[in-house]
Amino acid sequence: DTAVSQTPKYLVTQMGNDKSIKCEQNLGHDTMYWYKQDSKKFLKIMFSYNNKELIINETVPNRFSPKSPDKAHLNLHINSLELGDSAVYFCASSRDRGTYNEQFFGPGTRLTVL
Amino acid sequence: AQSVTQPDIHITVSEGASLELRCNYSYGATPYLFWYVQSPGQGLQLLLKYFSGDTLVQGIKGFEAEFKRSQSSFNLRKPSVHWSDAAEYFCAVGAMEYGNKLVFGAGTILRVKS
Repeated sequence: DTAVSQTPKYLVTQMGNDKSIKCEQNLGHDTMYWYKQDSKKFLKIMFSYNNKELIINETVPNRFSPKSPDKAHLNLHINSLELGDSAVYFCASSRDRGTYNEQFFGPGTRLTVL
Repeated sequence: AQSVTQPDIHITVSEGASLELRCNYSYGATPYLFWYVQSPGQGLQLLLKYFSGDTLVQGIKGFEAEFKRSQSSFNLRKPSVHWSDAAEYFCAVGAMEYGNKLVFGAGTILRVKS
C-alpha cells in the first residue's frame, strides 16, 4: 500500500526533449510538493500545491510546469530538458499546508539528461 | 530567510557506539525543526520533529533530538547505533513566516562499521 508513488522511477532522455513525472498520494492529504535533489544530495523545494492551488513557486525555470488535476495528483512537466536538470525529483504530501505537518515522500525519480 | 547547517558531511561510528549528528539553524523565532532519514535509493522518512514544549523529543528507531535555543541547535542522538542505521540524515527547518516551506540542510552520511 504505497502512500506516495511516483512514475517513472528512472528516466533517461536526450537534451531538448520534453518529459513528465507523475505523482499520486493515497493518504487523503491536501498539500503536495515537488523537490529537487541535486548530485550533492542538496534537497530544495520547487513547488507546492494545496487542494489544486499553487502555493509555493520557488525560483525555477519556467520550463518546469507543475499540474494538479486533483488533490491526490501532482505531475511535473519539463520542457526542453537541459543537462543541469539531471537530478532526483521527489514528490511529497502533507495533511495540509501547515509547516508543522510531517511530509511523506515518494521514492524519487532519477532523471538523467544526456 | 531560514537556513540549516549540518557541519559534518560524513560520520563513521562503530556498531553499538553512540551517535550525535549536528544541526544548526538560523531563524529569529522558534522554528519548526525536523530530522529525516534517507536510505539509499529511497525517499525521506521522518524521524522526529520539534515545535514547542519539552526540548528533548523522542522519535522512531530509538532516535532523540534536543532543541537548544541558546545554541540554535537541534542535534540528533542515538545511544547505540545499529548497522541498519547507515543512511543519510537531513535536518530541516520550517516557519510559517517563510511561506510554510521546509529548508533542508545538506545532509550527513552515516557509516556504521562492524
